[in-house]
Amino acid sequence: QQPVQSPQAVILREGEDAVINCSSSKALYSVHWYRQKHGEAPVFLMILLKGGEQKGHEKISASFNEKKQQSSLYLTASQLSYSGTYFCGTENYGGATNKLIFGTGTLLAVQP
Amino acid sequence: GAGVSQSPSNKVTEKGKDVELRCDPISGHTALYWYRQRLGQGLEFLIYFQGNSAPDKSGLPSDRFSAERTGESVSTLTIQRTQQEDSAVYLCASRGTGWIQDTQYFGPGTRLTVL
Repeated sequence: QQPVQSPQAVILREGEDAVINCSSSKALYSVHWYRQKHGEAPVFLMILLKGGEQKGHEKISASFNEKKQQSSLYLTASQLSYSGTYFCGTENYGGATNKLIFGTGTLLAVQP
Repeated sequence: GAGVSQSPSNKVTEKGKDVELRCDPISGHTALYWYRQRLGQGLEFLIYFQGNSAPDKSGLPSDRFSAERTGESVSTLTIQRTQQEDSAVYLCASRGTGWIQDTQYFGPGTRLTVL
């Protein structure tokens, strides 16, 4: 039931691009993306809803493929501040509890 | 307004003792969640509150774990007879309307160490 994220880890140089994927075995209603820096709480980045609507901030974009039950987070022209662990949280259809099931995490390290 | 707050920020206890962790959600947020995060691991769902009822307790690992919430305010997570495997960061999150378009906002967490 836990979404699977790939890659598990990625190392970038400043200015490079990265894509993080999140795949679920269940039909998704929404996907929420978070970034967590070491020793800190997860910070909300973006929410993607059924139908493709994106809500978020910063220079980060994402896609949501309902058919494939997956979402991808796109980080372009990465900055040092992008470093951290990225988690996707998924909500399934019929999710009466509005509970997010979080993925396995992707560690992103941006180097100068 | 203020974000989600949690206390204490750090707790060190001896095996077998009981601990109580507190969460103050964002004012007006009806939904509240507890998660556990072991070192280097992901976020493990424990329990969800809507108001002061808990429709989903499926993540509580054992009967040593319990939680309660007063109205749409403070929640406490209690761990009885703590074990070393309970060592983790316990994160609380709250959510606004409960509608699916909203997201969860996390508190800073309580780092629990069981010696």
